Amino acid sequence: AQKITQTQPGMFVQEKEAVTLDCTYDTSDPSYGLFWYKQPSSGEMIFLIYQGSYDQQNATEGRYSLNFQKARKSANLVISASQLGDSAMYFCAMKGFQNFNKFYFGSGTKLNVKP
Amino acid sequence: NAGVMQNPRHLVRRRGQEARLRCSPMKGHSHVYWYRQLPEEGLKFMVYLQKENIIDESGMPKERFSAEFPKEGPSILRIQQVVRGDSAAYFCASSPPLEGAGEKLFFGSGTQLSVL
Repeated sequence: AQKITQTQPGMFVQEKEAVTLDCTYDTSDPSYGLFWYKQPSSGEMIFLIYQGSYDQQNATEGRYSLNFQKARKSANLVISASQLGDSAMYFCAMKGFQNFNKFYFGSGTKLNVKP
Repeated sequence: NAGVMQNPRHLVRRRGQEARLRCSPMKGHSHVYWYRQLPEEGLKFMVYLQKENIIDESGMPKERFSAEFPKEGPSILRIQQVVRGDSAAYFCASSPPLEGAGEKLFFGSGTQLSVL
């Protein structure tokens, strides 16, 4: 069974500070991918970052980095130097090698960046 | 370089009516996925289609819901005899033909269905 858990329904962060959004997962798949998507108030889903389960290094994309701890089954998103435009819902998702078509999404974390 | 196009953006239906949601995948993408999002929740997988084939519909209710992705034209998610509980945002996503755990989905802007 595949499961994604995001335990923080809402988070606040001061502008220009860093913030970590938590994500844990459970899977029996030996190979899988982990993704983070951003959903602003306009509703669209924007891909942010990807981490493969066999990648040796943590993924980074600009101000986004993924703190991947395989033994703990966690894939936390770190946003550095928060901006007001970062205020949005953030979803963690997982896709297994054996079941490419299904992305499993967490329930999301609503991030509010304060000026 | 149009992205995934969904229409309509908002759809209002009365109970018992039919709802048709359309999705045109990104150019070159042959895989289409439909997800449903209830308020304050994540996305729930409904169905995965390739051209003219339903590959996985395990997330779709057995009754009243159907999906297709014809050889020509957009993918259609059809909900017959809508009920209030069908009110949700429905997202379409597409991906290119290459399969792998690293292939990300490209999402449309969603259709917000409201059932009165």
